[in-house]
Amino acid sequence: RKEVEQDPGPFNVPEGATVAFNCTYSNSASQSFFWYRQDCRKEPKLLMSVYSSGNEDGRFTAQLNRASQYISLLIRDSKLSDSATYLCVVNPGDQKVTFGTGTKLQVIP
Amino acid sequence: DVKVTQSSRYLVKRTGEKVFLECVQDMDHENMFWYRQDPGLGLRLIYFSYDVKMKEKGDIPEGYSVSREKKERFSLILESASTNQTSMYLCASSSTANTGELFFGEGSRLTVL
Repeated sequence: RKEVEQDPGPFNVPEGATVAFNCTYSNSASQSFFWYRQDCRKEPKLLMSVYSSGNEDGRFTAQLNRASQYISLLIRDSKLSDSATYLCVVNPGDQKVTFGTGTKLQVIP
Repeated sequence: DVKVTQSSRYLVKRTGEKVFLECVQDMDHENMFWYRQDPGLGLRLIYFSYDVKMKEKGDIPEGYSVSREKKERFSLILESASTNQTSMYLCASSSTANTGELFFGEGSRLTVL
């Protein structure tokens, strides 16, 4: 089983829609979790950390479910500019940082 | 503004050549990473380093080595390049306090002929 798994998509959604991605991880001892965004032909950039109690940043909400070992990212009121690949990241507490393969989102006018 | 700089954006090398990819960060970060990114496979960790002269194997270290003689610089070395090492190589750094918050360079696109 892969350490971090994501549905590759693509998710094609209309502007204004709400979309959610999940990411499962295999190491139950994992301690910190993140969502990154990668635009086409660009480097990944941190979108938001994922806290145990869940956290929100504008239209973006991240949640952690330790019991089922997954994290989620919810995007409300999708914009064309949200089109990108979203990567989940899991850190087991040491310096090794593992990325999922990414979920591609395409927001359609 | 924080910065991770990779020395070469595009390289074309021949099979068997030795290849050096250089990465420099100006954030005084302890951790540095080398990933490669291929379509459908995502980012795969090659090597990482958590301190000067320290290195740890990632998930796909075969065919690669690294060097970290100074805190700000982390080099990836392909001793004898092969065609299956054609890829996008991404360097990143992070602090020990926020290991998972990585700052990436723009990437080095390597083609091995």
